[in-house]
Amino acid sequence: KAGVTQTPRYLIKTRGQQVTLSCSPISGHRSVSWYQQTPGQGLQFLFEYFSETQRNKGNFPGRFSGRQFSNSRSEMNVSTLELGDSALYLCASSFGEAETQYFGPGTRLLVL
Amino acid sequence: AQSVTQPDIHITVSEGASLELRCNYSYGATPYLFWYVQSPGQGLQLLLKYFSGDTLVQGIKGFEAEFKRSQSSFNLRKPSVHWSDAAEYFCAVGGYNKLIFGAGTRLAVHP
Repeated sequence: KAGVTQTPRYLIKTRGQQVTLSCSPISGHRSVSWYQQTPGQGLQFLFEYFSETQRNKGNFPGRFSGRQFSNSRSEMNVSTLELGDSALYLCASSFGEAETQYFGPGTRLLVL
Repeated sequence: AQSVTQPDIHITVSEGASLELRCNYSYGATPYLFWYVQSPGQGLQLLLKYFSGDTLVQGIKGFEAEFKRSQSSFNLRKPSVHWSDAAEYFCAVGGYNKLIFGAGTRLAVHP
C-alpha cells in the first residue's frame, strides 16, 4: 500500500505571497492532519479533517486554512506569507478516530 | 494543560550500548502514546504505540516502551543500539488525530 504523499517537496516563496500544499493519504484513510515543524517551536498541530469536515484546529492564525476533498485528499493554504512560516509541513493520515497516524515526507517551505 | 516532556535534548551512546529515552506526559484522559523517529530531512516514522492493555509494548527495529501510569511516563528502550539508529526521536500523546509532541531527543551513536 502506498504511503502518504505530499507535493511539492520543496517550495520557495517571498513574503506576502500565498502557498498551497497538497497531501494524499493512504488509500482508505479518511482523516488527514497537518503539522508544522520548526526548530524553535517543534512540531505543532495545525488542523485535522475527517470526511471533508474540519474537526480539530490548533492555535494558528486564520492565514492558515485547509480543506479536504471527497477522495480524502487534503490541501492546506497559507496566505500572506511571513518569514516565520518557513517550516517543514507534515501531513498525516489515519483510518478514523483514535487511530495511528502515518506521516508523509513533508513539504519544506522557505519564505524569503 | 496537555504536554509532553522529553528531558534529554541530546544523547550520545556507543554502538552496542543500551538506550533509554525518557518521556513524561500530562494529559487529562487516558492517553494514547506514541514514539516516532525522524531522520534528517524526512517525515516521521512510527516506532510503537500504546492504546491500552499490556503496558510493555514492542515496536519496530528492536525498540520497546513501557507505560507507567503512576509516573506519567512512556520511556523508550533498546538493548543494543546500531549506528543506523542515529536520528531524532519524538514522544507524542493524543487522541482524535491531534497529537502533542515533545521537543524531541537527538540521538548520536559513536562507533
